[in-house]
Amino acid sequence: DTGVSQDPRHKITKRGQNVTFRCDPISEHNRLYWYRQTLGQGPEFLTYFQNEAQLEKSRLLSDRFSAERPKGSFSTLEIQRTEQGDSAMYLCASSLYDRDYEKLFFGSGTQLSVL
Amino acid sequence: EDQVTQSPEALRLQEGESSSLNCSYTVSGLRGLFWYRQDPGKGPEFLFTLYSAGEEKEKERLKATLTKKESFLHITAPKPEDSATYLCAVQDAGFQKLVFGTGTRLLVSP
Repeated sequence: DTGVSQDPRHKITKRGQNVTFRCDPISEHNRLYWYRQTLGQGPEFLTYFQNEAQLEKSRLLSDRFSAERPKGSFSTLEIQRTEQGDSAMYLCASSLYDRDYEKLFFGSGTQLSVL
Repeated sequence: EDQVTQSPEALRLQEGESSSLNCSYTVSGLRGLFWYRQDPGKGPEFLFTLYSAGEEKEKERLKATLTKKESFLHITAPKPEDSATYLCAVQDAGFQKLVFGTGTRLLVSP
């Protein structure tokens, strides 16, 4: 169990640029979640996948955001035309979903700063 | 809409001084209540899941309890390494996402 891995750990970009983050979940986990966290706040749900299917998206996820999970393995989160309000920690989590039990394991996150 | 309120926002304890953190929640149907620990610059680390009122779980110096409206995280004889932000989250039976509170920042001084 190598844990959830996220890359890069830090990203600094200029407003209007596109950025892409990668998440590698724990290998046997079938669910993958993206959350966003700003300073002093708890994580906020963005979207989740079960295997390769994206099953739910938050209204926080504007048209500039897109997430993929090809073949149900790693996932990418892309933000187009970044804005200063996108500055946050982007957290990925994975779980082995069971009807009665679910435990999310989080990665260390990607800290995005939009200048 | 599901809501989670944590108190206090910050708590400063002396080493060995036991205390409790509170998590009040509103949810239409509770599937689970989660406690996580978060260190600066890192992602949340899972501590406990509680599923029904009356349930209790323990891990080292931590004990989590659940009622129909709130959960408590009791910290017995804390050590400086227990310093972190403690997050509470609920999962609604109708949804898959976790709704988090804003956390309690705990500082334990030697």
